Amino acid sequence: GAGVSQSPRYKVAKRGQDVALRCDPISGHVSLFWYQQALGQGPEFLTYFQNEAQLDKSGLPSDRFFAERPEGSVSTLKIQRTQQEDSAVYLCASSFNLDRDLIQYFGAGTRLSVL
Amino acid sequence: DAKTTQPPSMDCAEGRAANLPCNHSTISGNEYVYWYRQIHSQGPQYIIHGLKNNETNEMASLIITEDRKSSTLILPHATLRDTAVYYCIDPLFGNEKLTFGTGTRLTIIP
Repeated sequence: GAGVSQSPRYKVAKRGQDVALRCDPISGHVSLFWYQQALGQGPEFLTYFQNEAQLDKSGLPSDRFFAERPEGSVSTLKIQRTQQEDSAVYLCASSFNLDRDLIQYFGAGTRLSVL
Repeated sequence: DAKTTQPPSMDCAEGRAANLPCNHSTISGNEYVYWYRQIHSQGPQYIIHGLKNNETNEMASLIITEDRKSSTLILPHATLRDTAVYYCIDPLFGNEKLTFGTGTRLTIIP
């Protein structure tokens, strides 16, 4: 099991509830990315970390979305006061970032359903 | 990110070569073309990338036109497990993130 691990795989939340989604990247990977994928669409970028530094959060849709990676490994994406439009698959990816290529390794995602 | 254009869907018979086209007419000289695929209920998977020369690996071949405005991903002997959405990506140079678009839904027919 050396791949990117995400938990939980499925999450059902009531509207207004806070949720936390976890990503365990591949050991030693410097870069970590979060993407959001709505039904029938391609993944869309949310935010990017290099080690513990959040270098780009331009894709976060609102201030209800918050991501952290305090020790440069595991990352958590938190969504406060969830809304129905937050229902999507949340994908995490990691990469070595040694040659600045864009080869990213993805987890299976967390499917969030907000009722 | 620069825009790519792909057909929304394609079918291919099992055992035949699947050829997936992509137009990236606004690509600049130092931007690579990346291909990923996403099998149902899984995360995207990297396939191959290239700058201007044709590339081949254990998964696929990538043919890039001389003017670099288009490319074709070739799966030489498609199997049922190759059924997936295939994304052609032309990221801006220096940009770390991937912009996926809607891709091509490839269905391998038994």
